[in-house]
Amino acid sequence: GNSVTQMEGPVTLSEEAFLTINCTYTATGYPSLFWYVQYPGEGLQLLLKATKADDKGSNKGFEATYRKETTSFHLEKGSVQVSDSAVYFCALTLAGGTSYGKLTFGQGTILTVHP
Amino acid sequence: EAQVTQNPRYLITVTGKKLTVTCSQNMNHEYMSWYRQDPGLGLRQIYYSMNVEVTDKGDVPEGYKVSRKEKRNFPLILESPSPNQTSLYFCASSPAGGNTIYFGEGSWLTVV
Repeated sequence: GNSVTQMEGPVTLSEEAFLTINCTYTATGYPSLFWYVQYPGEGLQLLLKATKADDKGSNKGFEATYRKETTSFHLEKGSVQVSDSAVYFCALTLAGGTSYGKLTFGQGTILTVHP
Repeated sequence: EAQVTQNPRYLITVTGKKLTVTCSQNMNHEYMSWYRQDPGLGLRQIYYSMNVEVTDKGDVPEGYKVSRKEKRNFPLILESPSPNQTSLYFCASSPAGGNTIYFGEGSWLTVV
């Protein structure tokens, strides 16, 4: 079956530090990969996505590259801000066919950024 | 504005008292799903629907029911809620064959 594994958190950083949150996956077929973010007390927001190997998704200074050879989609940001404090979820879906829009999520990584 | 709307957003209820969480989308999407979010487990799919009158179990369907009588609505029904159903619930929708999935804002449910 499909699965997503994220690095265990929580992650605590100082403002302007470099961020990496690791994500690896297993999937039958060719998945699309996503990072979602959940700010305190809010719902899920799509942060970025990549639909095929070697694609790079980017948004708000965050980046992630779809690496088929290592089955990874690590999230990076060069300089985090206090406002980036949130829970980050890596997820995959197999578009079309039998997936019916289902997302398989990792367990989430809590990020806290201190001034 | 394209959106997925859930109600109620917050609910505290007692064990055994039937409740329904409504979900409505205005994007004419074929696929709709319900997920629950629990600490350390991420989000897990409860039920999904491929279109009107077509539904199927996700990964954690026990204790839940759904219906899809209209394309835009996909209510989640807890016939006899129990404390282990205390969770944050998300409704989601997406177009057939697409890979962009839209989420509602979530419904915090507490069963005491």
